[in-house]
Amino acid sequence: DAGVIQSPRHEVTEMGQEVTLRCKPISGHDYLFWYRQTMMRGLELLIYFNNNVPIDDSGMPEDRFSAKMPNASFSTLKIQPSEPRDSAVYFCASSLNRGRETQYFGPGTRLLVL
Amino acid sequence: DQQVKQNSPSLSVQEGRISILNCDYTNSMFDYFLWYKKYPAEGPTFLISISSIKDKNEDGRFTVFLNKSAKHLSLHIVPSQPGDSAVYFCAVSGFREGGKLIFGQGTELSVKP
Repeated sequence: DAGVIQSPRHEVTEMGQEVTLRCKPISGHDYLFWYRQTMMRGLELLIYFNNNVPIDDSGMPEDRFSAKMPNASFSTLKIQPSEPRDSAVYFCASSLNRGRETQYFGPGTRLLVL
Repeated sequence: DQQVKQNSPSLSVQEGRISILNCDYTNSMFDYFLWYKKYPAEGPTFLISISSIKDKNEDGRFTVFLNKSAKHLSLHIVPSQPGDSAVYFCAVSGFREGGKLIFGQGTELSVKP
C-alpha cells in the first residue's frame, strides 16, 4: 500500500484566499484524522471521521475551517478565507479502529499564508 | 490547558548513551499511551505503546515506562544512535476520548556521533 497520500505537499497563498488540502487514507481504514502542527501547540487534532461521518470537530479552530469526506478514499480540509496564523503543517492520518490502533500519518502539507 | 506536556523542547545525547524523553499528563482516566517519532518532511510514525495495566513495555532499544501515580511517561533509548535523531511525540488516549489521540508538543532529540 502507498500509505496515506496528501496533496499538495507545499502551499503558499495570500491572505484571504481559499486553500484546499487533500487526503487519501489507506484503503480499508475506517478512521480519518486531520491534525495541525505548530511550534506553539504541537500536534492538534482538528477533526476526525469514522466511516466518512464526522465524529468530533471540536478541534476545528473556527468557521473558516471545514472538512468533508465524500467517500472512503478521499477527504478535504478547506480554509476560507485563509489568514497568516493558519500557517502550519497539516497532517492527515488514518487507522483501522479507534485510538487503540496505530494511526498512520501522511507526509503533511506545509501551508504558508502571506 | 494542555493535557499532555513534554517540557523539554530539545535533548542532545552522545551516541551510545541513553536518551530519556519525558511526558506528563493531567487526566488519570487516560489508559493508553504511545510514542511517535517524526523525521523532517515526514509524518509521525508509531514507535511504541503501553496500556495502563502495565508499567513497562520494551521493544529492542526502546522502552516505555509508565508511572500512573505520577501521571508520567518516559521513553528510554539505549544505546542511542545518530539515526534516532528526530522529534518524539507522546500521545495519550482514554475511553472518553473515543478515537482521539492527544499529543504533546514534541521533544527534538539530537544524537551526536
